[in-house]
Amino acid sequence: DTAVSQTPKYLVTQMGNDKSIKCEQNLGHDTMYWYKQDSKKFLKIMFSYNNKELIINETVPNRFSPKSPDKAHLNLHINSLELGDSAVYFCASSQRQGVRNEKLFFGSGTQLSVL
Amino acid sequence: SQQGEEDPQALSIQEGENATMNCSYKTSINNLQWYRQNSGRGLVHLILIRSNEREKHSGRLRVTLDTSKKSSSLLITASRAADTASYFCATDGNDMRFGAGTRLTVKP
Repeated sequence: DTAVSQTPKYLVTQMGNDKSIKCEQNLGHDTMYWYKQDSKKFLKIMFSYNNKELIINETVPNRFSPKSPDKAHLNLHINSLELGDSAVYFCASSQRQGVRNEKLFFGSGTQLSVL
Repeated sequence: SQQGEEDPQALSIQEGENATMNCSYKTSINNLQWYRQNSGRGLVHLILIRSNEREKHSGRLRVTLDTSKKSSSLLITASRAADTASYFCATDGNDMRFGAGTRLTVKP
């Protein structure tokens, strides 16, 4: 049983296309996140949702739109893909937002390649 | 919120040796966490140290925290080839933030 699962694992697409990455957690956590890891391995937070409510929205182009249909799911939709969007995208979850000593559980990542 | 910055960027050692990685941060924290990332995988939580703790152990891992210097170190003793991975520190807050990690290679 995978705690945080995201699909697809690999995504290769052309510039200008629209794509989605799905994430689901079966841990009963209230908070979910999207992180972007660039080629230098720097891991940067993009969004945070707490119980379906957007909490954090970093300086991310509005081509990126997260959608949380319920607290177990946080999908990431990307419009008009650009070369610079190529990266590995990680979904993560934690039990509660803003609680001290919370640890994150990560999915295995989606490697997005924009050609 | 702030992020941790790991040092060195890369570390290569022989199996059996100890590996020490450092993390620095800029403002006050409630806790600091270390994560491991194997190639092609997500991050896995290793250990959490609270701001009122100075040292914590978990198996072959030893973490220290010096809040006066705003730094932490992760020591892996008697390293194994399976310890080869990237190691990240992250500080607490509503949005846990990470650096670029230390890439550890343990040669058999």
